[in-house]
Amino acid sequence: EVQLVESGGGLVQPGGSLKLSCAASGFTFSGSAVHWVRQASGKGLEWVGRIRSKANTYATAYAASVKGRFTISRDDSENTAYLQMNSLKTEDTAIYYCARPQQDDSTDYRGLGYWGQGTLVTVSS
Amino acid sequence: DIQMTQSPSSLSASVGDRVTITCRASQGISNFLAWYQQKPGKVPKVLIYAASTLQSGVPSRFTGSGSGTDFTLTISSLQPEDVAAYYCQEYNSAPFTFGGGTKVEIK
Repeated sequence: EVQLVESGGGLVQPGGSLKLSCAASGFTFSGSAVHWVRQASGKGLEWVGRIRSKANTYATAYAASVKGRFTISRDDSENTAYLQMNSLKTEDTAIYYCARPQQDDSTDYRGLGYWGQGTLVTVSS
Repeated sequence: DIQMTQSPSSLSASVGDRVTITCRASQGISNFLAWYQQKPGKVPKVLIYAASTLQSGVPSRFTGSGSGTDFTLTISSLQPEDVAAYYCQEYNSAPFTFGGGTKVEIK
């Protein structure tokens, strides 16, 4: 069974940093891309970024709203992906989900088929 | 970056009604579009990918159409269990932007 478990959320002051983790199991993590998606309370989904597999050079991409402040990385030996968030703003307050595409990273994208339960990040003074 | 404009933002319809949600891309994305359903308190679920391919296990009352910049999600006969928010997502090129969402309720 595919499982994605996020951790590391919490309360942080504006300008602060936080590192989220996404622990994966039940599939070949090294062959899969990992995406991060966030959702503010009562609002829609916002794609944050993604990291591809080693076969795709660990390529990363980010939404304009977080580019230069957030960094996605992964440790395939630990089956874990990370979201490092720096220079946090109040508008970054949201539930952060990690998600995995339905297919592995060598085949066509077919949407995000597997999601974690999310971790809440609150940016407030 | 590509912008995705979804409409309407919310709708209320009766059981059995035909419901249509549209999604417009700011530039052509071929058929690189997915639709998701998110029920209250749950994570999103893929309904359709490649603009019109129904995800396995999704009821046939859901259909997707379109190509280029204009896309449509249709529920042919709205059921009570379809109460949810619906989102489109383009994946022509990163960033993989979501539409703003459509909240569907029963009248």
